[in-house]
Amino acid sequence: QVQLQESGPGLMKPSETLSLTCTVSGGPINNGGPINNYYWSWIRQPPGKGLEWIGYIYKSGDTYYNPSLKSRVTISLNMSKNQFSLNLRSVTAADTAVYYCAREKDPNGKFYYYMDVWGKGTTVTVSS
Amino acid sequence: DIQMTQSPSSLSASVGDRVTITCRASQSITNYLNWYQQKPGQAPKVLIYAASTLQSGVPSRFGGSGSGTDFTLTITSLQPEDFATYYCQQSYTTRTFGQGTKVEI
Repeated sequence: QVQLQESGPGLMKPSETLSLTCTVSGGPINNGGPINNYYWSWIRQPPGKGLEWIGYIYKSGDTYYNPSLKSRVTISLNMSKNQFSLNLRSVTAADTAVYYCAREKDPNGKFYYYMDVWGKGTTVTVSS
Repeated sequence: DIQMTQSPSSLSASVGDRVTITCRASQSITNYLNWYQQKPGQAPKVLIYAASTLQSGVPSRFGGSGSGTDFTLTITSLQPEDFATYYCQQSYTTRTFGQGTKVEI
């Protein structure tokens, strides 16, 4: 059973760079097969608000980002540690949120991806 | 970017009610549409993928339909554990979530 766990600082100051890591347990990030290919995603949720997709990375290292965050976001993969990471530069109070990592699965090889495994989320507060 | 608009934003219902939530995409996404349920303090959980396929383990009272730009999530007989917030999400191109629909007692 694959599990995901986010880790990172809970409190940050404006203009700093947020770095979060998602550790994948129970299975390799690089599953190596043509079926059940996975994307590894970051999503956030500001207090009392809805979900916002940040971006994802594929096992090849290809990345795709939300256009509204693209200039400040980098997602990277560390296969040797079975982890993927999020860097968000120049944070402001608007970046205060619960940050989730998630696995996106394509069950049939037909590109119908959905987020089937989620971490529990980590709260990040940006305050001076 | 594809925008996803859900309606209503919130609704009040009783146990046993039939509940319908709609989701509209700003352009055609064929059937690349997923539905998630989120309870307070928890991560979202997938209910439906590819617009109408029930995720394994999800009760059959949940159903999804639609294609193109208009989609529906239906709960045929609302149970106490179904009071939560529901999100649609498109996977046609990158990813976008709807703003959510809160189902309240």
